[in-house]
Amino acid sequence: QVQLVESGGGVVQPGGSLRLSCAASGFTFRSYGIHWVRQAPGKGLEWVAFIRNEGNNRFYADSVKGRFTISRDNSKKTVYLQMNSLRAEDTAVYYCAKDGAAGYSSSWYWDYWGQGTLVTVSS
Amino acid sequence: QSALTQPASVSGSPGQSITISCTGTSSDIGTYNYVSWYQQHPGKAPKLMIYDVNNRPSGVSDRFSGSKSGNTASLTISGLQAEDEADYYCTSYTFSSTLVVFGGGTKLTVL
Repeated sequence: QVQLVESGGGVVQPGGSLRLSCAASGFTFRSYGIHWVRQAPGKGLEWVAFIRNEGNNRFYADSVKGRFTISRDNSKKTVYLQMNSLRAEDTAVYYCAKDGAAGYSSSWYWDYWGQGTLVTVSS
Repeated sequence: QSALTQPASVSGSPGQSITISCTGTSSDIGTYNYVSWYQQHPGKAPKLMIYDVNNRPSGVSDRFSGSKSGNTASLTISGLQAEDEADYYCTSYTFSSTLVVFGGGTKLTVL
């Protein structure tokens, strides 16, 4: 069965960095794009980033552009989110989610989600 | 403020039908059929309920249906059951640099 397991969350000071990982199993990893979506405590969902199946194109929300970098290692079936210059407003549960369609383009929906990892930015 | 507008809450009795609206603009819902809906129970990850406006993933009850008219998408749940009580979010691809927009979420209460 499809599984996505996030890790790497924790408490970090404003201005600090953190790297999240998303380990995938149960599907042909190199065929699917992967997204990160976050949810601030008590708030709604916010899309963060997307990486195509081969990792050659990456897309970001305006709120994280220039600070976050998404990458993937298809040999390890893992996607990463490097978060730099963290701000208090980046505090959230970060979910990785599998794109709904195989191939180069995104379907812009997510059919499987991980359980999420909490990032807290606080001094 | 979310880019897509949803009612903050809706409620219904078991067996009834409810509809949750999701209003966007011509830059998102009005132009693209990349509208999807997610159910989220407290402390859990979101679950895909509807994709591409009106398609249901395998395993999702046919009590859930989606539609779109102009700039507004809708999620209808028929035959309400207690386990339907959750938060529901709509989302759409958008022409803007943001690429993806979400609604603020609707809390469904089954009375």
